[in-house]
Order: sequence, then structure tokens, then C-alpha cells
Amino acid sequence: DTGVSQDPRHKITKRGQNVTFRCDPISEHNRLYWYRQTLGQGPEFLTYFQNEAQLEKSRLLSDRFSAERPKGSFSTLEIQRTEQGDSAMYLCASSLGQKNTEAFFGQGTRLTVV
Amino acid sequence: QKEVEQDPGPLSVPEGAIVSLNCTYSNSAFQYFMWYRQYSRKGPELLMYTYSSGNKEDGRFTAQVDKSSKYISLFIRDSQPSDSATYLCAMSPQGGRRALTFGSGTRLQVQP
Repeated sequence: DTGVSQDPRHKITKRGQNVTFRCDPISEHNRLYWYRQTLGQGPEFLTYFQNEAQLEKSRLLSDRFSAERPKGSFSTLEIQRTEQGDSAMYLCASSLGQKNTEAFFGQGTRLTVV
Repeated sequence: QKEVEQDPGPLSVPEGAIVSLNCTYSNSAFQYFMWYRQYSRKGPELLMYTYSSGNKEDGRFTAQVDKSSKYISLFIRDSQPSDSATYLCAMSPQGGRRALTFGSGTRLQVQP
């Protein structure tokens, strides 16, 4: 499968615990995005990497959230001290770069904080 | 007010009908326009991608962009039950991070 891959698909965690999600983009894509989607809403932008550089973070990304993309390949999104309001679908997308804006999404990681 | 507005539906049509889905936006900097289809509990799947104004056709799907009115549309001809999903419009400006701004999605149900 050469699409965007996310792991895990589902995660249930207790409030206050830390969680980490992984995204493997399409191999030649240098841009990687994280979005969050809540029920009945469209995805909202969280953060963006070009290669290994994190170039922008949304104000939605509180200091409990951190993302990395070591070596410009896969990316991880960590949420520390989870809260019930963090419950959502976390989506990763990748695109080829300046001349191609088509972004392809993974299947998402559904987080439930209990 | 949101940058991108989309009627949430649900929209219910009989099989074979022509479906019209629409979004309006307020940011005149948007240059790239996309439509995604999202099945329940799945990630969004890219359907159509257009740059600036005009029409684009791909099989049963036609995307239209009217930048003067800040209005985009997706038409689905000969709709099928398998088209039942949530349709999300998305757009981004030229240059910069190119992150997408999404509408809230329209839920479509095609009745057999």
C-alpha cells in the first residue's frame, strides 16, 4: 500500500495519560500535515512540516501537543496529559510540494479520552 | 463567521439523481479548491482538484469554481448508493504552507 499510513487506528486512554500517534506519508512527499476532526466538523489544521522542519503550528496546538518529523520521513504527534476535549480523529496528510497542492489523507487515528 | 461555509445536510436523493453540493468562502486569497469524500470513520478521499476559476470534469463528477462570487460546486451525475458519504470542500491560498481550510461537510444519502 503506497498511501498515507497512520497508527494506531483507534486509541482509548484515561484522562491525564500521554499518547503518541504515528504517520507514514507517501514516500516522495516532502510536505506533511496534521489535522484534527471532531464529529460533524471538517478537519482543522494543527501543524505542517516541510521535510524535517516544522514550519507552522496552529493556535489549536496547545503546549501539551508536540509533533516531530525526524529525517523528513515519518511523523509523530504526542499529546501529554490528555483531556476529554482531546477526543477526536487525528488525520495526517501529505503532498508533493510547491507545485502540487493535492493532499492525500490517511485513515486517521480516533482518540477517545475517558 | 467561518471562512468556508457548507450546508451540513443531510441531503437525501433517489438513485440516478443529479446531486449539487456547494460551498461559499470569504477569503479572496484562496486559489486551490478541492472536494473530498469521507465515509463514516474513514479519512477524507480526494475527489476533485481545481486551480482558480473554471470547470473540471472527471467521470460522473464535475467541479465548478466561481471566484467572483466566492462559490464552488460539485455535481454528481447518475448518483449511486455507493456515493452516500460526507462531502467536504477544502481550499488553500497560493504559496505559503498550503494547509487546507475545510467546510464542515454535507452528508449525502442516495436511496436505492
